[in-house]
Amino acid sequence: EVQLVESGGGLVQPGASLKLSCVASGFTFSDYWMSWVRQTPGKTMEWIGDIKYDGSYTNYAPSLKNRFTISRDNAKTTLYLQMSNVRSEDTATYYCPTNYFDYWGQGVMVTVSS
Amino acid sequence: DVVLTQTPSILSVTIGQSVSISCRSSQSLLDSDGNTYLYWFLQRPGQSPQRLIYLVSNLGSGVPNRFSGSGSGTDFTLKISGVEAEDLGVYYCMQATHAPFTFGSGTKLEIK
Repeated sequence: EVQLVESGGGLVQPGASLKLSCVASGFTFSDYWMSWVRQTPGKTMEWIGDIKYDGSYTNYAPSLKNRFTISRDNAKTTLYLQMSNVRSEDTATYYCPTNYFDYWGQGVMVTVSS
Repeated sequence: DVVLTQTPSILSVTIGQSVSISCRSSQSLLDSDGNTYLYWFLQRPGQSPQRLIYLVSNLGSGVPNRFSGSGSGTDFTLKISGVEAEDLGVYYCMQATHAPFTFGSGTKLEIK
């Protein structure tokens, strides 16, 4: 059974950094490009970026490129999202689907507030 | 960025009714590899998005065949032939032809 389990969210202050994790199981993680997608409280969906199966290449939404970094550890079948200098508009539920968008985790909530 | 315009924003339907949702793109979604990376998702209340359709018209694994997708270029449609109660939720289209990938604003399906 394919599983994607996101973690690392919570309440953070503006300007802080946060690292989200996504542990994958049930498929050959190292064969798949992976994405991060977020959904705001108003239900707007936004693609953050993706990473090649071997970690050698990343794409980002231009508006987030300077603050967000995607990485992966194939040995640990884990995807990461490093968020820096977070803002209130980063408040959202974060998902880590495969790049076929066929599997999604349950999501992890991030709330940015002082 | 590619803008996807979804209409309508709300659909109020009765069980058994057939409905269509439109997704129009600000530019062609035909990729240089010949594929059109247009997806449809359903997000039921309190759940993660579920992929219904990929590459415009291909049914996702385990998705009932009352769902179908069609279109090309910039105009795409999701059709539900005979809505069932479990179909309520928000439907999104998404394009993955042009980076950054983008989503439509969603269509909320309500059961009367």
